[in-house]
Amino acid sequence: SQQGEEDPQALSIQEGENATMNCSYKTSINNLQWYRQNSGRGLVHLILIRSNEREKHSGRLRVTLDTSKKSSSLLITASRAADTASYFCATALSGSARQLTFGSGTQLTVLP
Amino acid sequence: DGGITQSPKYLFRKEGQNVTLSCEQNLNHDAMYWYRQDPGQGLRLIYYSQIVNDFQKGDIAEGYSVSREKKESFPLTVTSAQKNPTAFYLCASSIRTGLDYGYTFGSGTRLTVV
Repeated sequence: SQQGEEDPQALSIQEGENATMNCSYKTSINNLQWYRQNSGRGLVHLILIRSNEREKHSGRLRVTLDTSKKSSSLLITASRAADTASYFCATALSGSARQLTFGSGTQLTVLP
Repeated sequence: DGGITQSPKYLFRKEGQNVTLSCEQNLNHDAMYWYRQDPGQGLRLIYYSQIVNDFQKGDIAEGYSVSREKKESFPLTVTSAQKNPTAFYLCASSIRTGLDYGYTFGSGTRLTVV
């Protein structure tokens, strides 16, 4: 079953604009992670935010986490054509679960 | 360079055949994972292993088998019992199965039934 669900499913923006993707989840988490996947390739880990953190930055990426709403957002600022990819959130559940559960992803297209 | 290597990149399977997908890592990671990805979908966990000689079923283990005889290697066999094996298969590893670690992924194997 899918724990995390991304929104929107697809997003198309112009180069230089900001891109925001959202992730909602259902049960308590230990942390939430964002990954990027270029077409036909493996996933690349972008950022991890723990359940006791509210915001985290890495370069042009900004991730927020609202555990009361069970949601997270990924903001990519000043987007570039090379940012075109699918972006997935993944949740590490609290308790005994020892693996990540991935959402279905947001396909981001940045137009030059 | 450290990383995960999956081979082959493309694999074709005839009906009724078993095929084995290779996954090797030189990151000295304890935990390894196999995921399946269908077009436009997220990743679904097939099997994972926390230590050598131990592995656990994921959400969709039926029709698959794995082994973990070496820390570096976690091959996945797609058996003839898997009725719809056409998919993109991704192997990943993490330092350990503690929850605060990101995964490193291989570049995937695309399996097609012919």
